[in-house]
Amino acid sequence: KQEVTQIPAALSVPEGENLVLNCSFTDSAIYNLQWFRQDPGKGLTSLLLIQSSQREQTSGRLNASLDKSSGRSTLYIAASQPGDSATYLCAVRNDYKLSFGAGTTVTVRA
Amino acid sequence: ETGVTQSPTHLIKTRGQQVTLRCSSQSGHNTVSWYQQALGQGPQFIFQYYREEENGRGNFPPRFSGLQFPNYSSELNVNALELDDSALYLCASSLFEDTQYFGPGTRLTVL
Repeated sequence: KQEVTQIPAALSVPEGENLVLNCSFTDSAIYNLQWFRQDPGKGLTSLLLIQSSQREQTSGRLNASLDKSSGRSTLYIAASQPGDSATYLCAVRNDYKLSFGAGTTVTVRA
Repeated sequence: ETGVTQSPTHLIKTRGQQVTLRCSSQSGHNTVSWYQQALGQGPQFIFQYYREEENGRGNFPPRFSGLQFPNYSSELNVNALELDDSALYLCASSLFEDTQYFGPGTRLTVL
């Protein structure tokens, strides 16, 4: 059974600081890994998807890395802004389903 | 291109009642997956439908059931509601095993 862990559970940083969010998973036989953003009470917005054959993906201020053999991924958010405040979820895909971590709740202080 | 939509947005039920949640897939998608997200937790996979057949199921009891229609929209039915069924229910559509795109969710409260 795939287990996904996200550390830390919560993070508070001043505006402008870089964010580093960690995700680990137990079963390395994944198809891909996806990072999502979730605002309070809302659905999931996909940020980045990394295929199992890739090492990283970048979109604007966001960069995600994947080390499949060690079961780890890291999401970097450069120059954080108050609008980045949200919960960030990592999900890995095995077969047909996604397995999610519990998320890291980020607060960016102005 | 129309995204994934879900209805209703919010729902309040009492224990023992039954509920039906609805999901409209993104245009061109033939697969729908349902997830339950309890407060403070990550979403948990309930089941997936591909071309109107259940394609996989998570660790949920049989009182959670679903349907997919010929237009690939889907329903999630929950019978004999329990307090622990209170959660955000998320639907995701995809083109079979391609990337899943999520809807805004339905917030179910069981009193």
